[in-house]
Amino acid sequence: GAVVSQHPSWVICKSGTSVKIECRSLDFQATTMFWYRQFPKQSLMLMATSNEGSKATYEQGVEKDKFLINHASLTLSTLTVTSAHPEDSSFYICSARPIAGGPHEQFFGPGTRLTVL
Amino acid sequence: GNSVTQMEGPVTLSEEAFLTINCTYTATGYPSLFWYVQYPGEGLQLLLKATKADDKGSNKGFEATYRKETTSFHLEKGSVQVSDSAVYFCALYTGRRALTFGSGTRLQVQP
Repeated sequence: GAVVSQHPSWVICKSGTSVKIECRSLDFQATTMFWYRQFPKQSLMLMATSNEGSKATYEQGVEKDKFLINHASLTLSTLTVTSAHPEDSSFYICSARPIAGGPHEQFFGPGTRLTVL
Repeated sequence: GNSVTQMEGPVTLSEEAFLTINCTYTATGYPSLFWYVQYPGEGLQLLLKATKADDKGSNKGFEATYRKETTSFHLEKGSVQVSDSAVYFCALYTGRRALTFGSGTRLQVQP
């Protein structure tokens, strides 16, 4: 149980295009989902917290107009990287907190590797 | 702010060797501490946790003790297996929205 999927697992796009990444909790409902970004040999950096039905809360330094987050249902959150540039190339990881879970409880997706040419 | 520092990898060991991966932290208040493991192609999974000083978390032969005096939470295993090869992340939680992670340590166990 407690499986989180991400789609796609990897994507290559041209500079200036937009890319959408999906995060789904497959066997539980999640009121809160988190989006992280991971650079090589570095820790996961929290980008934003999304709560179902409300606007996402972005961490300092994260451009909300560039990284659009939608959490329209209790099992799906999407991250759209708009007008992507090579510096947006990274590994993006989502996690989901179950409705009945503890405050620190999160289940992680396998990640999406984005390469912008 | 909060931060977690882990030893850099990769750590390469032979099967049945003893494992230690160091983790130290800086945090306000009294954090809960965690170790996550990421196997190839999979998401991070919670390995063990400790919520207060002197607590010992354990799972699958791995152990870590919450040391408040040294602000450490080192991961240990007495005899590693090839199947333990993965990336290990130390993390803390203080009641803010999400976890604070270390940079991860890759463990490679050779038969």
